[in-house]
Amino acid sequence: SQQGEEDPQALSIQEGENATMNCSYKTSINNLQWYRQNSGRGLVHLILIRSNEREKHSGRLRVTLDTSKKSSSLLITASRAADTASYFCATDGGAQKLVFGQGTRLTINP
Amino acid sequence: DVKVTQSSRYLVKRTGEKVFLECVQDMDHENMFWYRQDPGLGLRLIYFSYDVKMKEKGDIPEGYSVSREKKERFSLILESASTNQTSMYLCASSLWGQLGMNTEAFFGQGTRLTVV
Repeated sequence: SQQGEEDPQALSIQEGENATMNCSYKTSINNLQWYRQNSGRGLVHLILIRSNEREKHSGRLRVTLDTSKKSSSLLITASRAADTASYFCATDGGAQKLVFGQGTRLTINP
Repeated sequence: DVKVTQSSRYLVKRTGEKVFLECVQDMDHENMFWYRQDPGLGLRLIYFSYDVKMKEKGDIPEGYSVSREKKERFSLILESASTNQTSMYLCASSLWGQLGMNTEAFFGQGTRLTVV
């Protein structure tokens, strides 16, 4: 069963604009993670936010977490062509495992 | 840097063959995972292991088995490959998290398996 659901499924923006992706989940969590996947490759970890944190930054990335709404958002500021990728949220599946959503496919147009 | 290495990037096998997908990690991680990824379905967990010789079923274990004889190696076995197992297979590893919390996962580059 998939815990997280990303929204939108696909997003296309111009270079330099900000991109926002959302993740909703169903059950309580200890933490939530975001990953990036370039086409045909493995996933790369971006950021982990704990359930007692509301916001976290890493370079041009900003992640928020609202446990009352069971949702998280990933904001990429000043997007670049290299940000073109699929982005996934992942939550606790219990017993150390990660459960992923279906992902948001982000395209940055030059 | 953590490295997770999958034995093949591309693999073509015939229906009914027994297929082995190998994954090796070099950072002494306790947890190892096998996912399959299909368009529109995201990543689905097949099996995972949190220790040598330990394994737990994920969401879609049917048609698969796993082996973890050494801490660094986690093998996925397709007992009798079928065309509906054509997919991208991703291996990952992570440290055992304290208090049951999961930790950052490191992924291999993926194996694109085609069963004909």
